[in-house]
Amino acid sequence: GNSVTQMEGPVTLSEEAFLTINCTYTATGYPSLFWYVQYPGEGLQLLLKATKADDKGSNKGFEATYRKETTSFHLEKGSVQVSDSAVYFCAPRSGENNAGNMLTFGGGTRLMVKP
Amino acid sequence: GAVVSQHPSWVICKSGTSVKIECRSLDFQATTMFWYRQFPKQSLMLMATSNEGSKATYEQGVEKDKFLINHASLTLSTLTVTSAHPEDSSFYICSARDSGSDYNEQFFGPGTRLTVL
Repeated sequence: GNSVTQMEGPVTLSEEAFLTINCTYTATGYPSLFWYVQYPGEGLQLLLKATKADDKGSNKGFEATYRKETTSFHLEKGSVQVSDSAVYFCAPRSGENNAGNMLTFGGGTRLMVKP
Repeated sequence: GAVVSQHPSWVICKSGTSVKIECRSLDFQATTMFWYRQFPKQSLMLMATSNEGSKATYEQGVEKDKFLINHASLTLSTLTVTSAHPEDSSFYICSARDSGSDYNEQFFGPGTRLTVL
C-alpha cells in the first residue's frame, strides 16, 4: 500500500517568511498527489493537486511539483500570512485508472504564522 | 465546488448511548463515501468505505458492529456509533467521491466532534 512521510511540526514562521513542507511517498503505480489543508475546527479542503510527473499544482500562492525521481511533493509558499496557519496533509492516491481508490494521508504538519 | 455536509457538527452523549452522524453530498451524487476518524493533533485514519446499495468495507481493526454504516441513497451515508464509550470520543470526518468530476475527486465534510461522557 501507499505511505507518506511528512516533516513533523509545528512549523512556526513569521509573516512573509518562505515556507517549505517536505513530503515523500511510496506508492504503487503512478499516483496522483494532493495537498489538503485543515483550518482549526474544520474538515479538510483540497489545496492543490498534481496528477503526473513534473506537473506543478498551485493555489492561493502555494505550489508543489510532482517529482517522480525523488518520490516527493514538497509544498512551498513564498510569503506566508497569518491566515495560512493550519494543518497541511500530503496525500497520494493511486489505483487502477485512479478510480475507486483511497487517499493515504501523511501525519500532517501544523503551520503557525506569527504577525 | 461540490459541497459535503455533516450533521451534527458536534454532539455530547452519555456512555452507552448510540449516536448517528449523517454525511450528505449536496450537489452531486456519490456512489462512494469514506469515513475517517481523527484524534487530536493526529492524521486522518480511514475507518471504512461506504458504497451505495451494498455493505461497507471496513479497515482492519475497525469493529463493524460498533460503527454501523448505511449508504441508502446516492447522497446520504450515515455512521452510527453504537454503545458509545469515552474512548470513542473523536473528530469524525466523511468524504464523498464525485465520480462525475475530474479524477474522481473526494470532497470532505466539515467533521463531527463526538464527546462521550
